[in-house]
Amino acid sequence: GENVEQHPSTLSVQEGDSAVIKCTYSDSASNYFPWYKQELGKRPQLIIDIRSNVGEKKDQRIAVTLNKTAKHFSLHITETQPEDSAVYFCAASGGYQKVTFGIGTKLQVIP
Amino acid sequence: ETGVTQTPRHLVMGMTNKKSLKCEQHLGHNAMYWYKQSAKKPLELMFVYSLEERVENNSVPSRFSPECPNSSHLFLHLHTLQPEDSALYLCASSQEPGTGASTDTQYFGPGTRLTVL
Repeated sequence: GENVEQHPSTLSVQEGDSAVIKCTYSDSASNYFPWYKQELGKRPQLIIDIRSNVGEKKDQRIAVTLNKTAKHFSLHITETQPEDSAVYFCAASGGYQKVTFGIGTKLQVIP
Repeated sequence: ETGVTQTPRHLVMGMTNKKSLKCEQHLGHNAMYWYKQSAKKPLELMFVYSLEERVENNSVPSRFSPECPNSSHLFLHLHTLQPEDSALYLCASSQEPGTGASTDTQYFGPGTRLTVL
């Protein structure tokens, strides 16, 4: 089955700095890679996703890159703000309705 | 709140109790999921239903019993749980384009925080 590793488990950055979270996956058949943000006490919510036919996708301050050869993908948040503080989960999917999640990264943005 | 709703939001039960968690999706999706979220662990997929048929059961103990009466509703029946079953149980839904297609975006409910005493 798929195995997704996510690093780092915790990340503290100063407001305005950039944050990068990295994930690796094991199944070369995976072709869909969503990122979810979960604020304290709230549900995970999709913030950006990328499919395997694309190498990079950007949405305002958030970008995701995918390297299929190396089987890794990353989330980049620029100009971080305190409201970016949350737990971020990466995930990989290639099978029918099967999504494997990373362990999560707790991001703290220090004002 | 629209989208995916779950009730109850919090549940405390003894090991001999029987209770049920309910999930309802208002998105017109045809697939629904149960996940378990424990501290310092990845989200664990428990069950998947597509078009009201169970398509995935990830070796979940029989003390958890899912039910999907229609494409909008999903239940998780609980009985004789253990303290280690205490966790946040999340429901999700998605729209599957067809058999064999890759998974599309999943939308999560707010979860039920379960405590087993």
